[in-house]
Amino acid sequence: EDKVVQSPLSLVVHEGDTVTLNCSYEVTNFRSLLWYKQEKKAPTFLFMLTSSGIEKKSGRLSSILDKKELFSILNITATQTGDSAVYLCAVGRDTDKLIFGTGTRLQVFP
Amino acid sequence: DAGVIQSPRHEVTEMGQEVTLRCKPISGHDYLFWYRQTMMRGLELLIYFNNNVPIDDSGMPEDRFSAKMPNASFSTLKIQPSEPRDSAVYFCASRQGTGELFFGEGSRLTVL
Repeated sequence: EDKVVQSPLSLVVHEGDTVTLNCSYEVTNFRSLLWYKQEKKAPTFLFMLTSSGIEKKSGRLSSILDKKELFSILNITATQTGDSAVYLCAVGRDTDKLIFGTGTRLQVFP
Repeated sequence: DAGVIQSPRHEVTEMGQEVTLRCKPISGHDYLFWYRQTMMRGLELLIYFNNNVPIDDSGMPEDRFSAKMPNASFSTLKIQPSEPRDSAVYFCASRQGTGELFFGEGSRLTVL
């Protein structure tokens, strides 16, 4: 059965800290891995990764994929209170389905 | 563009009642997805459509759930009869081809 596992389940840090969120997967016919940020409402898209070893970067956020070891990490440097959210990892198969992990809840305190 | 529009935003109903959730995808998007989110199970795909045709409904929990997409700009998810365990946030999402998936704001359903 296809599976996407995120860790840790939750994380509490102080502003300025750097955090690393993990996503491992077991999915047949892998096509892509996506990261989303969910605050109080709808998930919003962060990154889509399809190739191993190529880092995607947007401001203080970056992500990389390892297709051999079947995982991805999402790094956030110099965290801010506005980074507080649930971060979702999703894996796309050769079909059109996205399989989501249960998310990592990040809380950043001043 | 206004984004994916869902209604109602909140619905509280009693067990046994029929519930209809509505979604208007982003214009020009050819894929539409219905997801359900709970604390225990996270985001689960219920069903998705391509060009208004249901492609995979294997995530629909049981016969009480049904979804339709009569045209490219409208879809419904119906639960009849509703049960307390159906309480969740239901998201509709759309995308064009293999592009980014855009989510609506969700419909929070509470079944008493």
